[in-house]
Amino acid sequence: DAGVTQSPTHLIKTRGQQVTLRCSPKSGHDTVSWYQQALGQGPQFIFQYYEEEERQRGNFPDRFSGHQFPNYSSELNVNALLLGDSALYLCASSAPGLGETQYFGPGTRLLVL
Amino acid sequence: GNSVTQMEGPVTLSEEAFLTINCTYTATGYPSLFWYVQYPGEGLQLLLKATKADDKGSNKGFEATYRKETTSFHLEKGSVQVSDSAVYFCALRGNFGNEKLTFGTGTRLTIIP
Repeated sequence: DAGVTQSPTHLIKTRGQQVTLRCSPKSGHDTVSWYQQALGQGPQFIFQYYEEEERQRGNFPDRFSGHQFPNYSSELNVNALLLGDSALYLCASSAPGLGETQYFGPGTRLLVL
Repeated sequence: GNSVTQMEGPVTLSEEAFLTINCTYTATGYPSLFWYVQYPGEGLQLLLKATKADDKGSNKGFEATYRKETTSFHLEKGSVQVSDSAVYFCALRGNFGNEKLTFGTGTRLTIIP
């Protein structure tokens, strides 16, 4: 049974560009959450998707947007990249229902030059 | 808002030593509490969890007890191994409807043979 998968594993962009990161949830999971982990810090919640809608959002600007597809996979889009967006982006999925445990993928490491 | 405070690292121990990593939290209501572990170059793995006061989570020799009176969830292991070297994150999830995980800053643990 495959766990949470993310692509790409690494990415290098320049300031002002746009980036799309992808996540496939664990089998049987319908909810996807995204987190940003800066170097040496704990992950920070960006948003959560359920039934193709954004259910909850953290304290991130509108440059960060997402999408969930009917097969429950998800994308994270970041526009107008800043140097400070360099981080490990983690996707987590959880089973149907509120209060379910979140399981994390390996992450996408984004470097903005 | 919710917050998690973790013991500052790094922590270096000899193999077979006793481990304690302190974690305290601030939250309204009755949060669920988690310990996640991150090995070098990888995403987060759930280590253990507790969903109500006085619950004890345990896994792979690690234990943590949800103490509401002291708002704490300290991680312990009786005899650490070199393979336990990793970064450990304490996290909480708020009440029903608030699905985001709030993480501490992480504690880097190194075990020397």
